[in-house]
Amino acid sequence: RKEVEQDPGPFNVPEGATVAFNCTYSNSASQSFFWYRQDCRKEPKLLMSVYSSGNEDGRFTAQLNRASQYISLLIRDSKLSDSATYLCVVNIAGYSTLTFGKGTMLLVSP
Amino acid sequence: NAGVTQTPKFQVLKTGQSMTLQCAQDMNHNSMYWYRQDPGMGLRLIYYSASEGTTDKGEVPNGYNVSRLNKREFSLRLESAAPSQTSVYFCASSEGSPVREQYFGPGTRLTVT
Repeated sequence: RKEVEQDPGPFNVPEGATVAFNCTYSNSASQSFFWYRQDCRKEPKLLMSVYSSGNEDGRFTAQLNRASQYISLLIRDSKLSDSATYLCVVNIAGYSTLTFGKGTMLLVSP
Repeated sequence: NAGVTQTPKFQVLKTGQSMTLQCAQDMNHNSMYWYRQDPGMGLRLIYYSASEGTTDKGEVPNGYNVSRLNKREFSLRLESAAPSQTSVYFCASSEGSPVREQYFGPGTRLTVT
């Protein structure tokens, strides 16, 4: 079983739509969670950390559900510039590294 | 403040040639990482250095060596390149312990023919 699983997509949505991605993680000792964004042929960039109480940054909302071992990312009012691959990332307690999901592709069309 | 820089941006090698990919960060981070990214495979960790003077193998270390030259610089060496090493290579850094978010360089696109 993969440690971090994401639906690869693509999710095709029109501008202005609300879209949500989920990510599941297998190790209950996971302690830190992040969403990264990666544009085509570019490096991954940190979008936001995910906190236990949930957190919001503008149009983006991240939620953590420890009981079910998943995190989610909600994007409201989608923009063309939101088209990218979104990577779910976790850190497992005691490990010096992060574990990356393979990403979910989002395509926002006019 | 340039963040994480990598050189070269592009490289074409013939099978059996060697090369070193360079990475430097100016954020005073303790930890540095080398990943490769292939279509459909996601990011895979090659080697990492949790702190200056230490290096450890990641998920796919075979065919690679690394050197943590100082706190700023972490290089990746391919001693005898193989077509299977054709990939995009990313360097990243983070503050370290506890493990925090990582910041990536722009990548090196390597083709081995």
